Amino acid sequence: ILNVEQSPQSLHVQEGDSTNFTCSFPSSNFYALHWYRWETAKSPEALFVMTLNGDEKKKGRISATLNTKEGYSYLYIKGSQPEDSATYLCAFVPGNEKLTFGTGTRLTIIP
Amino acid sequence: NAGVTQTPKFRILKIGQSMTLQCTQDMNHNYMYWYRQDPGMGLKLIYYSVGAGITDKGEVPNGYNVSRSTTEDFPLRLELAAPSQTSVYFCASSYPRQGAYPRLSPLHFGNGTRLTVT
Repeated sequence: ILNVEQSPQSLHVQEGDSTNFTCSFPSSNFYALHWYRWETAKSPEALFVMTLNGDEKKKGRISATLNTKEGYSYLYIKGSQPEDSATYLCAFVPGNEKLTFGTGTRLTIIP
Repeated sequence: NAGVTQTPKFRILKIGQSMTLQCTQDMNHNYMYWYRQDPGMGLKLIYYSVGAGITDKGEVPNGYNVSRSTTEDFPLRLELAAPSQTSVYFCASSYPRQGAYPRLSPLHFGNGTRLTVT
């Protein structure tokens, strides 16, 4: 069983503040890492698929970095807005297996 | 494009009853998946399909069956419902671009089916 951990489980952030959270995964046999945003009453939507160590991807105010050697990825949100409130899921893809999802970080933006 | 459509949205079953969760996608995606989400747990893969006529087990297949007779449809069948199958079920699809690998393609999810077995 692969161990994919996300921390923190939940956090509250004041509107306008920046924040970040972590996805930790096994550092061996890495193939890819997915990030998804899951708003309440909706379905998860893909943010990024990352493959290269040191890679950084950006989508508007959201960005992600990847360290495959130490087994972690950070997701950053700059200048949080109420619409950023969601659960953020990461999914680790090892070399010969399917995606394994973490349990998510639930982000609440306080107006 | 409707994307991935799941029906029903909610269902209550009695122990031992059977039902089929429907999933259809209009994006001509090759790959389709069924996941379940339990409280405090990550999404767990039940079954997946890489194309019409081809299905395979995921991490938690016991108690479920699937079929893939067309590219668009991927129904999930529960034959003898048990309380342990109370969960939220998500169907997803992905389409590897030509020359790309499937596991690099982002998943497109349906809105989920909340199933309670009592």
